[in-house]
Amino acid sequence: GAVVSQHPSWVICKSGTSVKIECRSLDFQATTMFWYRQFPKQSLMLMATSNEGSKATYEQGVEKDKFLINHASLTLSTLTVTSAHPEDSSFYICSARLRDRGYGYTFGSGTRLTVV
Amino acid sequence: KQEVTQIPAALSVPEGENLVLNCSFTDSAIYNLQWFRQDPGKGLTSLLLIQSSQREQTSGRLNASLDKSSGRSTLYIAASQPGDSATYLCAVLDGGSQGNLIFGKGTKLSVKP
Repeated sequence: GAVVSQHPSWVICKSGTSVKIECRSLDFQATTMFWYRQFPKQSLMLMATSNEGSKATYEQGVEKDKFLINHASLTLSTLTVTSAHPEDSSFYICSARLRDRGYGYTFGSGTRLTVV
Repeated sequence: KQEVTQIPAALSVPEGENLVLNCSFTDSAIYNLQWFRQDPGKGLTSLLLIQSSQREQTSGRLNASLDKSSGRSTLYIAASQPGDSATYLCAVLDGGSQGNLIFGKGTKLSVKP
């Protein structure tokens, strides 16, 4: 149980275009989801926290106009990378916190974004 | 500011060995600590979750301990197998149950057949 499904698993896009990444909680309601970014051989860096029905909270240094987060329902959060550039190429992972499981975290399978 | 350190950064062992991965954190006021496994190009799989009031958790060949006062956790893997090869990440939930998950940089484990 407590599965987060993330799509797509990989995407290649042209510079200047936008890409949407979806995360769905399959068997539970995720009132809060977290979006991370991971560079090669680096650990995960929190980008933003999204709460269902309200605006996302972004970490310092993360451009909210570039990384649009929508959490319109209790089972779906999306991250849209707008006007993507090669430096946005990275591995993006979403996560949900499980209140009824001791506040453990469950993660999606990640999305490899390559901007050419 | 909470910092999480994992030692060693990489480890290569022959199949069948027992091994220990180390994790340390600078602020002992954590809510819980979680060990994850990450395969190349994949997301994170939760292995063990230890609440701040607990000393250890076990799952199969894995055992994780927590010494909150000294800011340390260890992940013990018994009878390692090639399928255990992956990067192991330690993360602490900092600042209460609604706080942030702070990650170490991971230990890359390679188990040779």
